[in-house]
Amino acid sequence: DIQMTQSPSTLSASVGDRVTITCRASQGISTWLAWYQKKPEKAPKSLIYAASSLHSGVPSRFSGSGSGTDFTLTINSLQPEDFGTYYCQQYDTYPVTFGQGTRLEIK
Amino acid sequence: QVQLQQWGAGLLKPSETLSLTCAVYGGSFSGYYWSWIRQPPGKGLEWLGEINHSGSANYSPSLRSRVTTSVDTSKNQFSLKLNSVTAADTAVYYCARGQYQWLGRVDSWGQGTLVTVSS
Repeated sequence: DIQMTQSPSTLSASVGDRVTITCRASQGISTWLAWYQKKPEKAPKSLIYAASSLHSGVPSRFSGSGSGTDFTLTINSLQPEDFGTYYCQQYDTYPVTFGQGTRLEIK
Repeated sequence: QVQLQQWGAGLLKPSETLSLTCAVYGGSFSGYYWSWIRQPPGKGLEWLGEINHSGSANYSPSLRSRVTTSVDTSKNQFSLKLNSVTAADTAVYYCARGQYQWLGRVDSWGQGTLVTVSS
């Protein structure tokens, strides 16, 4: 199975900050990578697919980049509603695997 | 705008069978992959499996022996069954729609169902 490793595990930032979360795959996955936001008691929210394409309705302050094994999720001008846990997920190779998550706390 | 609405029993005893159904409203059933994902308390997301409209399914290797999915195209519904549940299967279960296999380009999620396994 492809291992997805996210860093950091926890992140604390202030409103207005720029935040970057990284995701590393144990082998190349081209750009077959998605990012999700998960809040307590809520279904996951799909943010990005194909490493850098924003889902409809996702604010433009979210962006994704990378290919192969190294990927980043960037949130520009952090907003209070951006708290939660972020997960990356590869869909290059069966079986589907997720990163362990990055918990984003708003200072 | 497609909406997924899911339901199923929320409290099970060990060894029983978990059964969940997800209904698709406002969108096509064919041409997509219909997945199940779960999140145990305090843990991350785990993919369980998927099925397409013609009934072709893929499952997580770790659960393959216990999980089955099915579709009812006449009702635009798909279902999950997980047998021989244990406390380790306690989780919030989500259904989701993907445009590609292996949870590719997921654009819609169900609201989630908390399933607790306890004697």
